[in-house]
Amino acid sequence: DVKVTQSSRYLVKRTGEKVFLECVQDMDHENMFWYRQDPGLGLRLIYFSYDVKMKEKGDIPEGYSVSREKKERFSLILESASTNQTSMYLCASSPHHRGFYGYTFGSGTRLTVV
Amino acid sequence: AQKVTQAQTEISVVEKEDVTLDCVYETRDTTYYLFWYKQPPSGELVFLIRRNSFDEQNEISGRYSWNFQKSTSSFNFTITASQVVDSAVYFCALFMDTGRRALTFGSGTRLQVQP
Repeated sequence: DVKVTQSSRYLVKRTGEKVFLECVQDMDHENMFWYRQDPGLGLRLIYFSYDVKMKEKGDIPEGYSVSREKKERFSLILESASTNQTSMYLCASSPHHRGFYGYTFGSGTRLTVV
Repeated sequence: AQKVTQAQTEISVVEKEDVTLDCVYETRDTTYYLFWYKQPPSGELVFLIRRNSFDEQNEISGRYSWNFQKSTSSFNFTITASQVVDSAVYFCALFMDTGRRALTFGSGTRLQVQP
């Protein structure tokens, strides 16, 4: 009964590598989001998307980009990974309608950049 | 701009104690939604409650209760007779119906319930 799937649970990458984090949802949701979670800082919004090929910057977009070629898939890209991007990354989705009923989250990807 | 403050970084209690997690929010909107999520050690965030700004009724669900007070911009969460399984990080979050339609989270409170 998996609804939001993040491709990797744990990932170790080297500084300077290009890193792709994948997120797929099977609920036909229009909205998708990428957050990073760091101790003491909570969840901070990186990028989000309201529709295919649309993207909006969140609070901390520097060093990241995203791709949404299909409705069900939202990819987060670290153009050149750095050690300060070591973090837990959480993907979420929600339907687009009046009112708001919260997100469905994936299990997260813990990325370590060495 | 919107903001959510969870001033308690970490709380430790002994099983069966009651515990309250504080949440204070800031927004200029009149229509907004408040949430609490639980993040157990497994990592996945679990939805606990949603409350809209027009409904100030307190809510009780089993051992959980929520106190929403617009006058103090607070949405506090109380666990009665805590259990070890309540150990987790709890996040309060705010969603506004205008502008950027995305959740803003607090920094979280880590609750440790000792047996």
